[in-house]
Order: sequence, then C-alpha cells, then structure tokens
Amino acid sequence: KQEVTQIPAALSVPEGENLVLNCSFTDSAIYNLQWFRQDPGKGLTSLLLIQSSQREQTSGRLNASLDKSSGRSTLYIAASQPGDSATYLCAVWMDSSYKLIFGSGTRLLVRP
Amino acid sequence: DAGVIQSPRHEVTEMGQEVTLRCKPISGHNSLFWYRQTMMRGLELLIYFNNNVPIDDSGMPEDRFSAKMPNASFSTLKIQPSEPRDSAVYFCASRWGGTGELFFGEGSRLTVL
Repeated sequence: KQEVTQIPAALSVPEGENLVLNCSFTDSAIYNLQWFRQDPGKGLTSLLLIQSSQREQTSGRLNASLDKSSGRSTLYIAASQPGDSATYLCAVWMDSSYKLIFGSGTRLLVRP
Repeated sequence: DAGVIQSPRHEVTEMGQEVTLRCKPISGHNSLFWYRQTMMRGLELLIYFNNNVPIDDSGMPEDRFSAKMPNASFSTLKIQPSEPRDSAVYFCASRWGGTGELFFGEGSRLTVL
C-alpha cells in the first residue's frame, strides 16, 4: 500500500530564506507527482505536476524534483515571502486513472 | 477560465435535512472527483467520474450519499438525510485525461447541527 510522508510537518522561517520541503513515498511505481498549496479555508491550488519521465519542474520561485528510484520529491522555494505561508501537500498518482495518494502536508509560516 | 466552481461555499443545516452540493468543472475536462476533507481524516476520495460515468464510488460513506453527473459541465453531491458527522469541507476537482493536473474548487463547507 502506497504511503506518502511529508517532513517536516511544520516549518517556520524568516522572510528571504530558501527552503526545501520533502516528500517521500513507499512505492516507486508512481505515474506522476503533483504539489499543491492550501491556504486556510481555501481549496487546493496546483503548483507543479511532474510526469514520471521527468526529473524536475520549475515555476517561478518554485522548483520540484522527483527521484522515483529513491521514492523522494522535494519542493524548493527560493527567496521565501510571507505570502508563501500555507500548507503544502504532495500527492502521487498511482496510475493514469484516478488513484491519487496525498501526504499529510507541511505547514509553512514565513515570518516578515 | 473560471476554474472549478462550487456552490454553496457554506451550508449550515440541521440533522435530517437534505443537502445538495454543486460543481461545475473546468470546460474541456473529462474527469471529475469529489473529495471530503476533515482534520481527523484528511482528504478522502468519495467518487470519481470519467466522461460523466461514475467509475469508483467506493469512498461514498453510506447510502445517504449520492452523486450524479448529468452532463460534462455539472455534478451534484447529495446527502439525505444529513448527520452531524457529515460536517466537513467537500471539494470538487477536475482534470483532462489521464495525465493532466488536478484542479480543485474552493470547497463547500458543510456544518450539520
């Protein structure tokens, strides 16, 4: 059974720091991996989708990497801002249909 | 594109009442998902539609829950009768095909008194 773990569960950093959020999964036979952010009382916003054949994806200050063989993905946030404060969720697609397994999230606070 | 649109955003009702949640997926998307989120259980998949056909409803908690997708641009999730333990945020999400990103709506926060 696939398990997705995100470490740390919570993170507090001063504004301007570069930071890394970690995601690990037990079954390397994943299809794709997607990172989301969720603001309090809001829905999930898709940040990046990494196809299984890709090693990384970039969007603005965000860079996500994927290493299927080791069962790991990282989300790198450059020059963090208070507006980046949110919960970040990692989710793995087990196949091309609908099986999406979510991690429990990392709650990020960027202090001004 | 307006994104996935859900209504109502908030619903407060009394135990035993019928609740209907609505979702308009992103135009052109052929897959639709209903999720429920609670602090205790996180995100749970309730039902998945592909091309308007329910493919997997094994996550629907009980017969009190039902979902329909009469056309490609509209879906409903109905709870009848509602119970306090149904209180949660219900999300609708959609995507295109089997490789696309999943996009979520803002959610419907349901409180059953």
